[in-house]
Amino acid sequence: SQQGEEDPQALSIQEGENATMNCSYKTSINNLQWYRQNSGRGLVHLILIRSNEREKHSGRLRVTLDTSKKSSSLLITASRAADTASYFCATAPGAAGNKLTFGGGTRVLVKP
Amino acid sequence: DTGVSQNPRHKITKRGQNVTFRCDPISEHNRLYWYRQTLGQGPEFLTYFQNEAQLEKSRLLSDRFSAERPKGSFSTLEIQRTEQGDSAMYLCAIMGLYTEAFFGQGTRLTVV
Repeated sequence: SQQGEEDPQALSIQEGENATMNCSYKTSINNLQWYRQNSGRGLVHLILIRSNEREKHSGRLRVTLDTSKKSSSLLITASRAADTASYFCATAPGAAGNKLTFGGGTRVLVKP
Repeated sequence: DTGVSQNPRHKITKRGQNVTFRCDPISEHNRLYWYRQTLGQGPEFLTYFQNEAQLEKSRLLSDRFSAERPKGSFSTLEIQRTEQGDSAMYLCAIMGLYTEAFFGQGTRLTVV
């Protein structure tokens, strides 16, 4: 079963706009990760935020984590057509096992 | 190049046939994971290996599925007596303890 719920399921924006997507999860975590997937391809890791961190930046990406609400958000600033993809959050459990549990994803379309 | 090679990239098979997929991490890595992804959904965990030992299997992994990792390097996933419900993308990943995962490009299976 999937741990996370992502919101929205789909997002359509113009190039240059910001894209924000949210992820909620249910159990305690060691870290939360975001991945990108282009159509029909494998997943590419974007950013990892640990449970004791609240915010992290990487280039045009900004991730926040609120462990009290069991939620995270991913912001892509100044979007480009090449950002068109599906974005998934994944949680690594606080307990042993270390398997990632993915949400259902947000499909982002950036129109030129 | 994610450091994980999967073959074949696409497989079309008739219902009832057996299929085998292969995953080759380019570098040595202790932990190797298999995930399954159906259209429009996030990846779901199937099984994981630490070296050659298969340490965890999902309930999704029915008796028709078997995975091996001889010598702790490459891994194979076999599906016997395929069913149409097995049609999905099968993803292999390597991951350290509480770090990011590196995914292969996946094998897309279509059962007709």
